[in-house]
Amino acid sequence: DAGVIQSPRHEVTEMGQEVTLRCKPISGHNSLFWYRQTMMRGLELLIYFNNNVPIDDSGMPEDRFSAKMPNASFSTLKIQPSEPRDSAVYFCASSSQGTVNQPQHFGDGTRLSIL
Amino acid sequence: ELKVEQNPLFLSMQEGKNYTIYCNYSTTSDRLYWYRQDPGKSLESLFVLLSNGAVKQEGRLMASLDTKARLSTLHITAAVHDLSATYFCAVDKVRFGAGTRLTVKP
Repeated sequence: DAGVIQSPRHEVTEMGQEVTLRCKPISGHNSLFWYRQTMMRGLELLIYFNNNVPIDDSGMPEDRFSAKMPNASFSTLKIQPSEPRDSAVYFCASSSQGTVNQPQHFGDGTRLSIL
Repeated sequence: ELKVEQNPLFLSMQEGKNYTIYCNYSTTSDRLYWYRQDPGKSLESLFVLLSNGAVKQEGRLMASLDTKARLSTLHITAAVHDLSATYFCAVDKVRFGAGTRLTVKP
């Protein structure tokens, strides 16, 4: 199994630019999570999907952030316009729904730097 | 607002010693998760605890959950250097503790 695949691994861009982060969950997993990790705020859940439907997006910081899951094998997290405070490592994770005790599998993360 | 507090935040221990990391949370929940993160790496799921009194063990690590006390513990037995990492607890996969950075010294 290829695991959860995130791209890009690193992104450096200037303030105001649009940033798109991508995630391919493990095949057969129907829950997908987007997390952000910073030194100041630690790990935060941004949004999670069950069966491609957003269930809880209360962690999305503001309207500049949006996430989509058009099908079971792909999700995007978009920031437009980006700001320096968005600099963080963004992780995507997937798991099987139905059995609550299924562990999450994390991607390697995208390290985002906004200049 | 759900709060999750871990302590200690930093833990330096010698190989062979035992120690416990504590995770307190502020809401009624019976779903508690433990993760490990190595420096510069992603997270690895360690334990899933889903009911009061649940106990899970993997190697030198043992996790338990007391939902009445709103407390989970991660016990380390006879620590080895390979256990050096940051350990996080999380409630409902939603709210994470700040993490405990564990360093095991020879």
